Amino acid sequence: DVKVTQSSRYLVKRTGEKVFLECVQDMDHENMFWYRQDPGLGLRLIYFSYDVKMKEKGDIPEGYSVSREKKERFSLILESASTNQTSMYLCASRGGKAGKAYNEQFFGPGTRLTVL
Amino acid sequence: GQNIDQPTEMTATEGAIVQINCTYQTSGFNGLFWYQQHAGEAPTFLSYNVLDGLEEKGRFSSFLSRSKGYSYLLLKELQMKDSASYLCAVRGTYNFNKFYFGSGTKLNVKP
Repeated sequence: DVKVTQSSRYLVKRTGEKVFLECVQDMDHENMFWYRQDPGLGLRLIYFSYDVKMKEKGDIPEGYSVSREKKERFSLILESASTNQTSMYLCASRGGKAGKAYNEQFFGPGTRLTVL
Repeated sequence: GQNIDQPTEMTATEGAIVQINCTYQTSGFNGLFWYQQHAGEAPTFLSYNVLDGLEEKGRFSSFLSRSKGYSYLLLKELQMKDSASYLCAVRGTYNFNKFYFGSGTKLNVKP
C-alpha cells in the first residue's frame, strides 16, 4: 500500500519562526510535491522535486524553500512564518516510470499550520 | 494563466446519479484527473483521461472532450460515503509535474 506520511497533523507557530514540514514516502517515487490548500482556491503547487537534490518552483514559491537530501524525504521550509501562510499543507508523490504510479499522485494526510 | 472551473457545491440523494462538471482553459494539456477528498483527509485518485471519451470504473465514470475543454465525473448509485469534495486537475504539457487544480466540488449525499 502506497504511503505518504507527514510529520504533524496540526502545528501552531508564531510569526517570524522558522518552520519545517516533513514528508516521507515509501514507494521509491522519483517525484515529490508540496501544495497548500485554501478554501475557494484549491490546491496550489509550491515546489516539486523530480530527483534527490533537484527542485523546481511551482506557482507560489515565495516565502518557502525545500530540501530533498534523500529520495524518500521532501521537506518544506518556511523561512520566517507569516500569518498569510496559515493553511493546510499537502505533500504528494508520483512514480517516474510508466505504470499505474506514473499518472497518480499519492497524497499525505496534510498538516494544518496556524501562524499566530 | 490556467483556469479550472467546477461548481462549488452540489446535493444529491442516495441511490441517484450525479454529474460533476469541470471546464478548463490551460496553456497546455496532458491529462485530466479526478480526486476524491473526504473532510480532513488526503485526496485520493479516482480517474485519469487523456483521450476523448468515457472511462468507466465501477460506479464512477469520467468523460473528456479536449476540443471543448470539458470533463465530467459521473457517480452512479450514490452512497452516503460518497459525500466528499471532488477535485478536478489538469496536467500541463511541458512538465509532467505541473498539475493545476480546480477549487473542488463539495458533494452532499442525503438519505
